[in-house]
Amino acid sequence: DTGVSQDPRHKITKRGQNVTFRCDPISEHNRLYWYRQTLGQGPEFLTYFQNEAQLEKSRLLSDRFSAERPKGSFSTLEIQRTEQGDSAMYLCASSFSSGYVFYEQFFGPGTRLTVL
Amino acid sequence: QKEVEQNSGPLSVPEGAIASLNCTYSDRVSQSFFWYRQYSGKSPELIMSIYSNGDKEDGRFTAQLNKASQYVSLLIRDSQPSDSATYLCAASPGGGADGLTFGKGTHLIIQP
Repeated sequence: DTGVSQDPRHKITKRGQNVTFRCDPISEHNRLYWYRQTLGQGPEFLTYFQNEAQLEKSRLLSDRFSAERPKGSFSTLEIQRTEQGDSAMYLCASSFSSGYVFYEQFFGPGTRLTVL
Repeated sequence: QKEVEQNSGPLSVPEGAIASLNCTYSDRVSQSFFWYRQYSGKSPELIMSIYSNGDKEDGRFTAQLNKASQYVSLLIRDSQPSDSATYLCAASPGGGADGLTFGKGTHLIIQP
């Protein structure tokens, strides 16, 4: 039973560059979530998918951020024209839902982004 | 605005004692509540979920929910040094399928 995986685990980039992160959820999970966490804060919700449909986006998700889950399996989060304020841990979580039955979210190890 | 409030600590508890962690939330629509443990530099790990008023026990952990007071707590019995971590409280309006709103976390230190 493999958990949520994320790649890369660490990314250092220069301001203005584009970066892309990947998340592979637990295999039977149909919901996938992206969060961002900065030092001393709890995770902040960014967006989530049910299968391939993006159902909710936080106002934190600026125009420079885009997320996809094209086949309802893995997801990518792209940040364009990175800024130093984008430096954070980007966390992916997954869960299963069926009708009105929902289950807990399980997190991957995260991708730590440093923007120089 | 949805908010989840936690005392950031640090909360220092002797080994073997009961650690009590508290959380309040502002959004009365919230129906589902979760406690995650996070070690430094690691991702959050789910400990407990609670959906109904009252207590829910799982091993050394007990979660308590009072929706009227908008209050959630986590008790850790027989605290161990390995319990030293940041504990995050999270709330969701639905069954946990929506984006979670997290508190900033309480830093717990178990003193050997």
